[in-house]
Amino acid sequence: QVQLVESGGGLVKPGGSLRLSCAASGFPFSDFYMSWLRQAPGKGLECVSYISSTGSATYYTDSVTGRFTISRDNAKTSLYLQMDNLRADDTAVYYCARRRDYGGNSVFDFWGQGTLVTVPS
Amino acid sequence: SYELTQPLSVEVALGQTATINCKGNNIQTKKVHWYQQRPGQAPVLVIQRDSNRPSGIPERFSGSNLRNPATLTISRVQAGDEADYYCQVWDDRTAVFGGGTKLTVL
Repeated sequence: QVQLVESGGGLVKPGGSLRLSCAASGFPFSDFYMSWLRQAPGKGLECVSYISSTGSATYYTDSVTGRFTISRDNAKTSLYLQMDNLRADDTAVYYCARRRDYGGNSVFDFWGQGTLVTVPS
Repeated sequence: SYELTQPLSVEVALGQTATINCKGNNIQTKKVHWYQQRPGQAPVLVIQRDSNRPSGIPERFSGSNLRNPATLTISRVQAGDEADYYCQVWDDRTAVFGGGTKLTVL
């Protein structure tokens, strides 16, 4: 069965850095786009970044462009999110999710349990 | 940028039918996906591409996108269906989510 397990969250000071990891199993990892989404406390869902199956293409939402870097290691079936210059508004639960494409309409069909990132104001 | 609007909350009596709306400009031209998020848990996909249930999702969950708004319908509601529900579409290289609807089972 598909499993996605995030790690690396924690408490970090404004301006600091964290690296999130997502260990994937149960499916051909190198065949799928992968994504990071987040949910601020009491708020809705936001797609932060995604990466193509080979790693050659990436996307970032405007608020994290230039500060976050997504990457993957297909040999290790792992996804990463390097977060630099963190701000208080980056405080959220970060989810790793598998993205499935249907002719330009993408869906997040499996999610990890999430890892909490806290940046105090 | 594209926006999706959902009601903040919906209440339904145990065993009855709940309908959750998702409104967006010309939403019928897009494929709508629905996620369930129980308290303290990660989202789970319950409807994909308007009306398709992933494996393991009960038949009580159905979706429609024949007119605006798109809808998620839960029949014979159970206490375990109490959760937040989010609609999502794909637009301009990214996912757009509705603000979420809290379903309360009375």
